Amino acid sequence: EVQLLDSGGGLVQPGGSLRLSCAASGFTFSTYNMNWVRQVPGEGLEWVSAISDSGAESYYADSVKGRFTISRDNSKNTLYLQMNSLRADDTAVYYCAKSFHSRWSQKFDSWGQGSLVTVSS
Amino acid sequence: DIQMTQSPSTLSTSIGDRVTITCRASQSINTLLAWYQQKPGKAPKVLIYGASSLESGVPSRFSGSGYATEFTLTISSLQPDDFATYYCQQYDSFPVTFGQGTKLEIK
Repeated sequence: EVQLLDSGGGLVQPGGSLRLSCAASGFTFSTYNMNWVRQVPGEGLEWVSAISDSGAESYYADSVKGRFTISRDNSKNTLYLQMNSLRADDTAVYYCAKSFHSRWSQKFDSWGQGSLVTVSS
Repeated sequence: DIQMTQSPSTLSTSIGDRVTITCRASQSINTLLAWYQQKPGKAPKVLIYGASSLESGVPSRFSGSGYATEFTLTISSLQPDDFATYYCQQYDSFPVTFGQGTKLEIK
């Protein structure tokens, strides 16, 4: 069974940093692209970032480009999102999501349970 | 960026109703569209992908159709477990974008 366990969320001051983790199990992590999607409580879904199976390619939403970095450690079956220069509008639940395939343009077929990030002084 | 516009935003419905949700893309995405269901406090769950393919384990009362810029999600006979929020998503190109969501409420 595919499992994605999000962790690392919490309260951080504006301008601060936080690193989210997503521990994967139940599938061959190194052969799938992965994503981060966020959701402001009570609002819609916003894609944040994607990374290829090898980690060689990554993509970002304009809203986080230059501040967030997606990475992965295939030896540890773990996806990361390093978030720097955090702003109040980054407050959201962050989900990791597995792409269906190692090719791009695929559905997100499994999701973590989410990790709440709150940016506030 | 490709904009995804869903309608309606909210739908008051009853058990047994046939429900149709529409999603429009700002440019052609062929059939690279998915529909997700989300319940409060839970992660989204994929229902339909490739515009019309039913995800394994999803009840057959859910169906999808469309191509290019116009897409629909249909629930043939609404069940109590279906009251949730539904999102369309285009995965044709980056940035991946979602519709704003359609919340099904009990009439």
